Amino acid sequence: ETGVTQTPRHLVMGMTNKKSLKCEQHLGHNAMYWYKQSAKKPLELMFVYSLEERVENNSVPSRFSPECPNSSHLFLHLHTLQPEDSALYLCASSQEVLAGEIGEQFFGPGTRLTVL
Amino acid sequence: GQNIDQPTEMTATEGAIVQINCTYQTSGFNGLFWYQQHAGEAPTFLSYNVLDGLEEKGRFSSFLSRSKGYSYLLLKELQMKDSASYLCAGLDSNYQLIWGAGTKLIIKP
Repeated sequence: ETGVTQTPRHLVMGMTNKKSLKCEQHLGHNAMYWYKQSAKKPLELMFVYSLEERVENNSVPSRFSPECPNSSHLFLHLHTLQPEDSALYLCASSQEVLAGEIGEQFFGPGTRLTVL
Repeated sequence: GQNIDQPTEMTATEGAIVQINCTYQTSGFNGLFWYQQHAGEAPTFLSYNVLDGLEEKGRFSSFLSRSKGYSYLLLKELQMKDSASYLCAGLDSNYQLIWGAGTKLIIKP
């Protein structure tokens, strides 16, 4: 079984819909991340959770709402999205060894989101 | 500002050697990562350098020069399966990863 799983793998939604992306990590890590990946652009860090507390927001629009109920699960709730939000949304996890350090990040396969 | 620069696309021949360069400007520096990402798949970790020099791992090697803000990924004995995007990411003083846009490597027979 892969270390980080994401569902769904593909999602098409209208601008008025509400949907959620799910991420689960089976590696025992204590930090989880949401990234947005658009074509030919750098990975954009959206949210970071360390020990289930959000530590980074990066000025993401409020139409994206993260939730981390425990150290193994991460959600991204979506509502009233715009067409420019269409992208690949990647989840990652890592083990923070010491405070402020991050280890290698393990990525999930991503959710390909299309907003019509 | 913080920035990672790497070429957008490179082409190489099967069996040959290719070097993918990355220059970085970060607020402080705590190391540099290389990831490989095949089309439609998750990025996977290749290497991490924090000290100057060359780290060899099989057919792949990664080099870092902190004084020059420069790194490269060297791929030897190229195989068709090496066709992928290669992402360079620098770790800044806040331990935040700053990502490059990736280099798409095309391997031709």
